Amino acid sequence: GDSVTQTEGQVALSEEDFLTIHCNYSASGYPALFWYVQYPGEGPQFLFRASRDKEKGSSRGFEATYNKETTSFHLQKASVQESDSAVYYCALGDPATGGNNKLTFGQGTVLSVIP
Amino acid sequence: GGIITQTPKFLIGQEGQKLTLKCQQNFNHDTMYWYRQDSGKGLRLIYYSITENDLQKGDLSEGYDASREKKSSFSLTVTSAQKNEMAVFLCASSINWGGYAEQFFGPGTRLTVL
Repeated sequence: GDSVTQTEGQVALSEEDFLTIHCNYSASGYPALFWYVQYPGEGPQFLFRASRDKEKGSSRGFEATYNKETTSFHLQKASVQESDSAVYYCALGDPATGGNNKLTFGQGTVLSVIP
Repeated sequence: GGIITQTPKFLIGQEGQKLTLKCQQNFNHDTMYWYRQDSGKGLRLIYYSITENDLQKGDLSEGYDASREKKSSFSLTVTSAQKNEMAVFLCASSINWGGYAEQFFGPGTRLTVL
């Protein structure tokens, strides 16, 4: 079945550091790939999506590029702020199920940014 | 804009108890979802409802029932709470079921079973 693996369970950075959170997937065909962010005490929020190879998704200074060759969708931000401290989830939607909203989520990565 | 409201915010139950969690959305969205969130395991889909009169099992439906009372509300019942269980239950909605529509989440209900 489909799966999403986020390599880092926790990431600790200082303000203005460069962020990379690794996301690799396993699925047939061309799944849609997503990033969601969850701030403390809130539910997850949609960050952005990409649906085809080499497509870049971006929002709020975060970006990720769909790479079918390496089956990856790594999240990056050039300069993190304390307000970026949150849990980040990578997810996929499998077109084999009809392009619907049944998403498979990764385990989540806790980002802590120290001022 | 809109909002998803989940009640209660905290729920403490006893082993074997039947517990009900409620969710309301004012987006006028067709599709609603219940997820379970466990530390280190991400989000897992319990039940979803594509439209007002629909109910579908997700990957983690055993031990749960759900009810879509009307378009704006979706309830989840834990049929028999398990001792020492701790998890956050998240309700979400999307405009429809197709096209990888953005899902909007509520703040969650945190369950503790004594």
